[in-house]
Amino acid sequence: AQTVTQSQPEMSVQEAETVTLSCTYDTSESDYYLFWYKQPPSRQMILVIRQEAYKQQNATENRFSVNFQKAAKSFSLKISDSQLGDAAMYFCAYRRINDMRFGAGTRLTVKP
Amino acid sequence: DGGITQSPKYLFRKEGQNVTLSCEQNLNHDAMYWYRQDPGQGLRLIYYSQIVNDFQKGDIAEGYSVSREKKESFPLTVTSAQKNPTAFYLCASSIDQGGIGNQPQHFGDGTRLSIL
Repeated sequence: AQTVTQSQPEMSVQEAETVTLSCTYDTSESDYYLFWYKQPPSRQMILVIRQEAYKQQNATENRFSVNFQKAAKSFSLKISDSQLGDAAMYFCAYRRINDMRFGAGTRLTVKP
Repeated sequence: DGGITQSPKYLFRKEGQNVTLSCEQNLNHDAMYWYRQDPGQGLRLIYYSQIVNDFQKGDIAEGYSVSREKKESFPLTVTSAQKNPTAFYLCASSIDQGGIGNQPQHFGDGTRLSIL
């Protein structure tokens, strides 16, 4: 079974600084998709960014970017110019067809 | 606005009682999913449905049941056989039907279930 590992239960960053959240996964498949979701205190899951495994180019969405290393099965999220509103739980997710796996999450604290 | 509506927001269950969590979407999505979230853990898949009148078990289906009579609706019943039902339950939907899964899932706001 595919597994997703987030090795950092908690991270903190100073406002306006940059932080990187780690994620590794295990799969024998070559075609799949990876996602980062944000879950603020309201508990709603919000899509942050997604990456297709067949694309070598790393995805970016405004202040959010990923470092996708397919051979290493690594998918880290970089948040630039951190804002107070970025404080949340962040979940890394793997998906292939209807096999959807989530990591245990990283709680990000943003210090003013 | 399109979205996913889960109700109720909070639900309490007595011992031996079945309870049903509602999930409705107006996004015209084919696939719908139910997840369970426990403190300090990620989401675990309970059931999913790709089309009407069809659904598949996820990783932790024991003690739960679902139905998919309409495209818009995917209710989850937590039966008395589920001995540890206290958790946060999230419903999700996605547009793909039998595809490779490139479309992200859209989530509802969740239901918190507790035991009385």
